[in-house]
Amino acid sequence: DAGVIQSPRHEVTEMGQEVTLRCKPISGHNSLFWYRQTMMRGLELLIYFNNNVPIDDSGMPEDRFSAKMPNASFSTLKIQPSEPRDSAVYFCASSLRQGMNTEAFFGQGTRLTVV
Amino acid sequence: RKEVEQDPGPFNVPEGATVAFNCTYSNSASQSFFWYRQDCRKEPKLLMSVYSSGNEDGRFTAQLNRASQYISLLIRDSKLSDSATYLCVVSLFPGGATNKLIFGTGTLLAVQP
Repeated sequence: DAGVIQSPRHEVTEMGQEVTLRCKPISGHNSLFWYRQTMMRGLELLIYFNNNVPIDDSGMPEDRFSAKMPNASFSTLKIQPSEPRDSAVYFCASSLRQGMNTEAFFGQGTRLTVV
Repeated sequence: RKEVEQDPGPFNVPEGATVAFNCTYSNSASQSFFWYRQDCRKEPKLLMSVYSSGNEDGRFTAQLNRASQYISLLIRDSKLSDSATYLCVVSLFPGGATNKLIFGTGTLLAVQP
């Protein structure tokens, strides 16, 4: 398996523009997570899905952020309109819960810069 | 209060030293515990799971104290290649087959030659 695949790897955009981040989880995994990482706040859980259904989006900072998972092999995180404070590395991770084992596998991340 | 708290460091230690990281978590319903490692500009990767009885993997030893809601990681005989950020992770099972992974902010370790 190729692992969790995220695109793009890097994104530079102007304030006010729409940004869409994409994620392909590992085949067979039933949970998908979106995290944001900054120096100040570390890794923050934004939203997670189980079997394509959003379970907890309490970490989504505000209405400008939205996430979808239309099928088991694809998810998007959208920011509209983007702001400079959204600049961060956004990670997608997937896991398959087997008993107490819930190891999450991460993609390489999307480094977003909003200018 | 953050759900998972760690000392951010950095911990600067010489090669061969023993170093210990600590972590506390606030949700007593937390079910599983892990240490992840993150290299600079890379994604986090699982280092080891943490069991109630304590567990060891080579130079690494992890301990869990459920009563105190405390997790630790001990690294013996530090190598230069151990330099990374170590992330404490707790897993909650809110219901059904779902699991929610909460990460601490990480502790930066720099092993000096």
